[in-house]
Order: sequence, then structure tokens, then C-alpha cells
Amino acid sequence: SAVISQKPSRDICQRGTSLTIQCQVDSQVTMMFWYRQQPGQSLTLIATANQGSEATYESGFVIDKFPISRPNLTFSTLTVSNMSPEDSSIYLCSVEGPSRVDGYTFGSGTRLTVV
Amino acid sequence: DQQVKQNSPSLSVQEGRISILNCDYTNSMFDYFLWYKKYPAEGPTFLISISSIKDKNEDGRFTVFLNKSAKHLSLHIVPSQPGDSAVYFCAASDSWGKLQFGAGTQVVVTP
Repeated sequence: SAVISQKPSRDICQRGTSLTIQCQVDSQVTMMFWYRQQPGQSLTLIATANQGSEATYESGFVIDKFPISRPNLTFSTLTVSNMSPEDSSIYLCSVEGPSRVDGYTFGSGTRLTVV
Repeated sequence: DQQVKQNSPSLSVQEGRISILNCDYTNSMFDYFLWYKKYPAEGPTFLISISSIKDKNEDGRFTVFLNKSAKHLSLHIVPSQPGDSAVYFCAASDSWGKLQFGAGTQVVVTP
């Protein structure tokens, strides 16, 4: 399965600022997924990022708040913009395995605290 | 609208015994079901999956059972080991590849 390098692993940010999270995959993948895990809650899909096209956002998430870049088949970034304390979460990227039975691989996550 | 539900937030089991984790779903369009294990400060780790056309899949100590008519699946871990102590997430996938996760079950394996 793919290996994902995600960074930063954690950050503490001031409200009103932005943070960009990077994910690098060791193989080419068509789709990359971005998730959020709020404290004490489950993982929620933010958006799906395909190379060469705009990301597709899930209900409740908008491009202005979470702009995504996908410049090539091994790299993607998620930016959390104009942060507020409610954005304090773990953010994770994910890619699909070689086949669906292989599941999805996740990055190690970015723990974001907004103060 | 929570389409994947894990109603047990926690489970305590003795080492060597069986751990049974349960999951229910509501969306008939899900065609793959997956279980993940998550340690603190790490991303989820894939454990095992099952296609909607099967009712059982086994991989070592892990077995997943699917009851489509009841929209229910379970994960059996036998025998449970101390290293199994983690949060376990049930997830379901549709044909677009999007995963929906349950709330998770914290498993504690005691000596």
C-alpha cells in the first residue's frame, strides 16, 4: 500500500491566520481525500481532490475556507483559512489502495490547535 | 445524518478473550465496509474489509461479518492482545470511494 508523508504533524495557530497542510504520496494516485476529526468525534470527509480538476467538497465545507491544491498525482495541500478555535481538529489525508479490498491509507494527521 | 453508527463507545476485554465490535449502517448504496484501528497521534490503520456481496471475511485474528438484511456488521478479534487496545472505527464506502465513518469504539484489553 502507499506511504503518505503528512506535515506538519501539529501546530498551534492564532485565530484569523491560515495553515497549509501537505501530503506527499510515494506513488501516483488518482484521488486524494481530506478528512477532519474534531475532538471526541469521528472522521468527516472534507473534500476529494483529483489532479487537474477542482476539488469536490462535501456538504458543510466550502472552497473559500478549505482551499485544496492538487498539482500532480503524488501531492496535495489543504489550507485552513481564517482560522477560529472551532477549527481545532486533526486533519488527515487519505488515498485509496490498489483495489477496494485493500482499503484506504491515511497520513499520520495534523493536530491543529487554534488559540 | 449519521449513516454509520457504532453504538458502543467503549469495550473492555480480557487478554486472550474475544473482542466483538458492532456497527450499523443505513445507506443501502454502501458496497464496501472497512474496519480501522487508530492509536493516539497516528492516522487510522486499515485492518480488514468486506464487500457487500460477502457475509464473512477473515484475516488472521480478525474476522468481519456482514448481515446485509439487518444492515449490520461486526468485527471479531480472537484472541485479544494488549496491543489491540485502540479506537476502532467502522467505515462504509460507496462506489465513488467516499468513506463514512462511525463514531469509534475504544477497546481496552486488560491482562
